[in-house]
Amino acid sequence: NAGVTQTPKFRVLKTGQSMTLLCAQDMNHEYMYWYRQDPGMGLRLIHYSVGEGTTAKGEVPDGYNVSRLKKQNFLLGLESAAPSQTSVYFCASSRGIGPLDTQYFGPGTRLTVL
Amino acid sequence: AQSVTQLGSHVSVSEGALVLLRCNYSSSVPPYLFWYVQYPNQGLQLLLKYTTGATLVKGINGFEAEFKKSETSFHLTKPSAHMSDAAEYFCAVTVGSGNTGKLIFGQGTTLQVKP
Repeated sequence: NAGVTQTPKFRVLKTGQSMTLLCAQDMNHEYMYWYRQDPGMGLRLIHYSVGEGTTAKGEVPDGYNVSRLKKQNFLLGLESAAPSQTSVYFCASSRGIGPLDTQYFGPGTRLTVL
Repeated sequence: AQSVTQLGSHVSVSEGALVLLRCNYSSSVPPYLFWYVQYPNQGLQLLLKYTTGATLVKGINGFEAEFKKSETSFHLTKPSAHMSDAAEYFCAVTVGSGNTGKLIFGQGTTLQVKP
């Protein structure tokens, strides 16, 4: 049982390049989330998904797209990377969206945009 | 709207000393409160959470937190710090369920433990 995994762990992009971050969970969770972590700002929700085939915007969705084609996977895409997207990205999943449903986090992806 | 403020971005204690990490929240409805810990180069791990019932909540690794509605606080404590407690700690709040069940995080507090 690997929990939540993220690929890749590190990535350096040039401004304007695109990339996709992959999140996978093996806990059969319905809900999945993408956060970004910036110094002094905690974690901010980018997008989330309440089930296969559904996605919704979080607090800071601009410049990102997501897809949830399979229940176990949640992809985060950057179509045209900008330096402001330099951050650590965390994926999380939970059984439900209520307070009794703990969110489990992946190890993170450190992205640098030059 | 809900928000979380963690007082002090950096806290330093000696090994064996009391750990106190402060968290205040803002919410117009009864909140659910969480503390997460992030060890270096790892994801976040749930330490403890308050939903309803007893206001003193015990978590893993000897940590506990007390929900004080009158002070809108949820401070995290541990009687005796250990070197392994050095990490970043995040307080978070959510309310209700359904579409409003998303976590709002504070900015984080880095705990340094000195030998």
